[in-house]
Amino acid sequence: GENVEQHPSTLSVQEGDSAVIKCTYSDSASNYFPWYKQELGKGPQLIIDIRSNVGEKKDQRIAVTLNKTAKHFSLHITETQPEDSAVYFCAAAGGSYIPTFGRGTSLIVHP
Amino acid sequence: DAGVIQSPRHEVTEMGQEVTLRCKPISGHNSLFWYRQTMMRGLELLIYFNNNVPIDDSGMPEDRFSAKMPNASFSTLKIQPSEPRDSAVYFCASSFSATGEGPQHFGDGTRLSIL
Repeated sequence: GENVEQHPSTLSVQEGDSAVIKCTYSDSASNYFPWYKQELGKGPQLIIDIRSNVGEKKDQRIAVTLNKTAKHFSLHITETQPEDSAVYFCAAAGGSYIPTFGRGTSLIVHP
Repeated sequence: DAGVIQSPRHEVTEMGQEVTLRCKPISGHNSLFWYRQTMMRGLELLIYFNNNVPIDDSGMPEDRFSAKMPNASFSTLKIQPSEPRDSAVYFCASSFSATGEGPQHFGDGTRLSIL
């Protein structure tokens, strides 16, 4: 089955800095890679996703990059704001019906 | 638009009792997922339905757990008998994707505490 590793588990940055979260996956058949943001007391919410026919995707301050050869993908948040503080999850799907999630990264943005 | 609706939001009960968690997926979505989230194990997929049919229940921890989806707008996750180690946040998610290769929409979860 698919195995997704996510790093770091905790990331602390100053407001305005950039934040990068990295994930690796094991199943070369995976072709869909979503990122979710989970705020306290809420369920994970999709913030951006990328498919394997695309190398990079941007949405305002958020971008995701994918390297299929190396089997890794990353989330980049620029100009971080306190409201970006949350737990972020990566996931990989496509090799089977079952999406596999990383363990999560707790992002703390200090004002 | 109404998102995924889960009930109850919080449940506290004594071990040995039966617990039933409920989920209403987004209308038009044909896939439904049940997850369990704990600090130790992260987000674990328990079971996945497509068109109301269970596709993979390999994540269900043991026979004490069962899930049903009698129609496209309702699903339940039942634990009987409950144990303290079942304490966790349980999430339901739905998707329009038949293969899991599409965005999942999560409810806000049920926080379950078994005393």
